[in-house]
Amino acid sequence: GENVEQHPSTLSVQEGDSAVIKCTYSDSASNYFPWYKQELGKRPQLIIDIRSNVGEKKDQRIAVTLNKTAKHFSLHITETQPEDSAVYFCAAMAGRRALTFGSGTRLQVQP
Amino acid sequence: DTGVSQDPRHKITKRGQNVTFRCDPISEHNRLYWYRQTLGQGPEFLTYFQNEAQLEKSRLLSDRFSAERPKGSFSTLEIQRTEQGDSAMYLCASSLVALAGPGGTQYFGPGTRLLVL
Repeated sequence: GENVEQHPSTLSVQEGDSAVIKCTYSDSASNYFPWYKQELGKRPQLIIDIRSNVGEKKDQRIAVTLNKTAKHFSLHITETQPEDSAVYFCAAMAGRRALTFGSGTRLQVQP
Repeated sequence: DTGVSQDPRHKITKRGQNVTFRCDPISEHNRLYWYRQTLGQGPEFLTYFQNEAQLEKSRLLSDRFSAERPKGSFSTLEIQRTEQGDSAMYLCASSLVALAGPGGTQYFGPGTRLLVL
């Protein structure tokens, strides 16, 4: 089955700096890669996703890049703000099946 | 509220008791997923339904776990003879999947936090 690895497990940045979180996946059939943000005690919320026919997608301060050859994808957050502090999960889906999640990255933005 | 809802939000039970959780998906969504999340980890897939049909079960779903979606709308997840290791957050998600299209975006409910004493 699919295996998703996520790094780093914790990330601390200064407000205004950029943050990058990286994930690798094992199943070459995976074709959908969402990123979720989860604040303490709350539900995971989708922040951005990308499908395998696209190499990069951007939404304001958030961008995701995908390298299918290397089987890795990354989340980039620019101009970080304290409200970006949360746990971020990457995930991968092959076909129309369920998501396989990474283990999460705890991002702390220092004001 | 048109999002995914779950009930109860919290459940405390004694080891050996049975518990049942309910999930109400977004109304037009045909696919419903159950995940389990333990502290500090990402959600782990348990099972999913396409309308009322249960299409896949994870090996994490032991014989003590059963899920139903009888009319293709809400779903229930029952855990029989609970064990302390069942303590976790149980998350439900739903999506709309077209017949010939790729998997749809999954929207999560707030979860049911289970504590087995």
